[in-house]
Amino acid sequence: KNEVEQSPQNLTAQEGEFITINCSYSVGISALHWLQQHPGGGIVSLFMLSSGKKKHGRLIATINIQEKHSSLHITASHPRDSAVYICAVRGGTSYGKLTFGQGTILTVHP
Amino acid sequence: DGGITQSPKYLFRKEGQNVTLSCEQNLNHDAMYWYRQDPGQGLRLIYYSQIVNDFQKGDIAEGYSVSREKKESFPLTVTSAQKNPTAFYLCASSILSVSNQPQHFGDGTRLSIL
Repeated sequence: KNEVEQSPQNLTAQEGEFITINCSYSVGISALHWLQQHPGGGIVSLFMLSSGKKKHGRLIATINIQEKHSSLHITASHPRDSAVYICAVRGGTSYGKLTFGQGTILTVHP
Repeated sequence: DGGITQSPKYLFRKEGQNVTLSCEQNLNHDAMYWYRQDPGQGLRLIYYSQIVNDFQKGDIAEGYSVSREKKESFPLTVTSAQKNPTAFYLCASSILSVSNQPQHFGDGTRLSIL
């Protein structure tokens, strides 16, 4: 079993739909990251959080440390949101390397 | 604008040849990382460097080598010892490896072995 599991692996939505991507992890962490990978391959960091909830535009990220679970929500989805969304956790050690989920492929149709 | 530049975007090499992937950052970040991405798998850490002239192996370092002679540069060499080098390679950097700072990523290099 991977240390970081994302679900679903593939997600198709119609424009305007509310989208949720889930991330569960099995190790102690100091922070969790949500990343977006565009079709060309470049990755941008969307959120870094260690507790509670963060919001940026139409994106919302939540984390429940006790349940070792995080969700990424996209409200009013748009075709330009189509990308791979990656969850990554930073370990609690002094180095704190990132461990990545396998990614969720999101396709939003007009 | 500050960022990470990886070059080239696509790279083709014959089997048995060493190949070097470039990664340059102008963010003044101390820490730099190399990841490998294969279809359907999460990114895996190859090597990382927290400071100039120092680097450590990640989870899949076999068949790879790196150098960190300058703060802004962290080239990765894929040697002929790497059994399955065809993959997408991503370079990243962060202010410090031990702090909870986001990592900034380059656009990646797709390596194909002919």
